[in-house]
Amino acid sequence: GQNIDQPTEMTATEGAIVQINCTYQTSGFNGLFWYQQHAGEAPTFLSYNVLDGLEEKGRFSSFLSRSKGYSYLLLKELQMKDSASYLCAVRSLGGNNRKLIWGLGTSLAVNP
Amino acid sequence: DSGVTQTPKHLITATGQRVTLRCSPRSGDLSVYWYQQSLDQGLQFLIQYYNGEERAKGNILERFSAQQFPDLHSELNLSSLELGDSALYFCASSAPARVGMAETQYFGPGTRLLVL
Repeated sequence: GQNIDQPTEMTATEGAIVQINCTYQTSGFNGLFWYQQHAGEAPTFLSYNVLDGLEEKGRFSSFLSRSKGYSYLLLKELQMKDSASYLCAVRSLGGNNRKLIWGLGTSLAVNP
Repeated sequence: DSGVTQTPKHLITATGQRVTLRCSPRSGDLSVYWYQQSLDQGLQFLIQYYNGEERAKGNILERFSAQQFPDLHSELNLSSLELGDSALYFCASSAPARVGMAETQYFGPGTRLLVL
């Protein structure tokens, strides 16, 4: 079957660094996305990885290892506004079925 | 602001009723996706349309249907509503797939449906 695993909850301190992991088992791989979702709001796009390695975007970075079926989202210099759910989503091999497979999300609480 | 619009923002209705949710994609996007998100649940993919045609189907109930019109806006119809259908319904859109492009989905603000 197809599966994405993320920790359910994490807690961190303002100003610190936190790493949110995502492991996946899918029928093929065609890209991995990270989204941020504040409570009651729409998911917003953070990053996309399709090749192995680290993609850096300001305070946020995302890493991918296709051979290990593993990704992480790294958040630096945490701010209170980073308290949100972080969703990992994988696109399996293409064809006509281009839907994403979504993880349940990691709820991050940033404390002062 | 993602550029995706959804109406209405909130909807309160009774069991057994039927409602229609509307979505306008970002300018130039041909794909529209519908998702359901219940309290404490992950995003459940319902259905995707591409340029007016159904492209992919997820966990969409038979009581639910959708369509995409020539102007590319989409509607999700929910009928014979049950209490368990209370949820946030999101629409997302993406640009046409190209080699090397992420085909990122951009989400609308959602419609919060409450079935009483």
